[in-house]
Amino acid sequence: SQKIEQNSEALNIQEGKTATLTCNYTNYSPAYLQWYRQDPGRGPVFLLLIRENEKEKRKERLKVTFDTTLKQSLFHITASQPADSATYLCALSYNQGGKLIFGQGTELSVKP
Amino acid sequence: EAGVAQSPRYKIIEKRQSVAFWCNPISGHATLYWYQQILGQGPKLLIQFQNNGVVDDSQLPKDRFSAERLKGVDSTLKIQPAKLEDSAVYLCASSLGTGSRRPEAFFGQGTRLTVV
Repeated sequence: SQKIEQNSEALNIQEGKTATLTCNYTNYSPAYLQWYRQDPGRGPVFLLLIRENEKEKRKERLKVTFDTTLKQSLFHITASQPADSATYLCALSYNQGGKLIFGQGTELSVKP
Repeated sequence: EAGVAQSPRYKIIEKRQSVAFWCNPISGHATLYWYQQILGQGPKLLIQFQNNGVVDDSQLPKDRFSAERLKGVDSTLKIQPAKLEDSAVYLCASSLGTGSRRPEAFFGQGTRLTVV
């Protein structure tokens, strides 16, 4: 069955630096790979989506890359701020309307 | 636009009791998901509906969990009887569904269940 691996250890970085989070998957490539943010006590919030035929997507300070050869997606937050501190989840689905599977999440802490 | 509504927000029950959670998705969203999230883990898909049909329920413990989506809108997830290991946050999410160019899911705040 499909496995999704995210950095299990929390990521601690200094304000202003770039945070890079990793999402690796096994087996065949998904049609979509999505990134979500989750704050304590809240549901996940959608951030970015990248399709299997796309290499990179950007939105403001966020950037997602998708390497189907490495079976990996990287999520970057540039000029990080303490308000970016949260858990970040990657999720994938294999077709439109197919089931959406999440990784275990990576906790990011940005120190002032 | 109203978001995904879930109730209750919190529930404490004793083991072997039953419990039900309710979800009202975003209007017009054909796909509805129920996830279980145990503390420190990612959301685990329990069941996914497309309108009122089941797309996937492979990880739903069918001996104790059941879910329905009447008329393809609201949904209810039930646990009967509950076990200690069912303690988790139950998240409902919805998306536009098959054929949409916008497959992202929108989540409710979740129901935190504690089984004692």
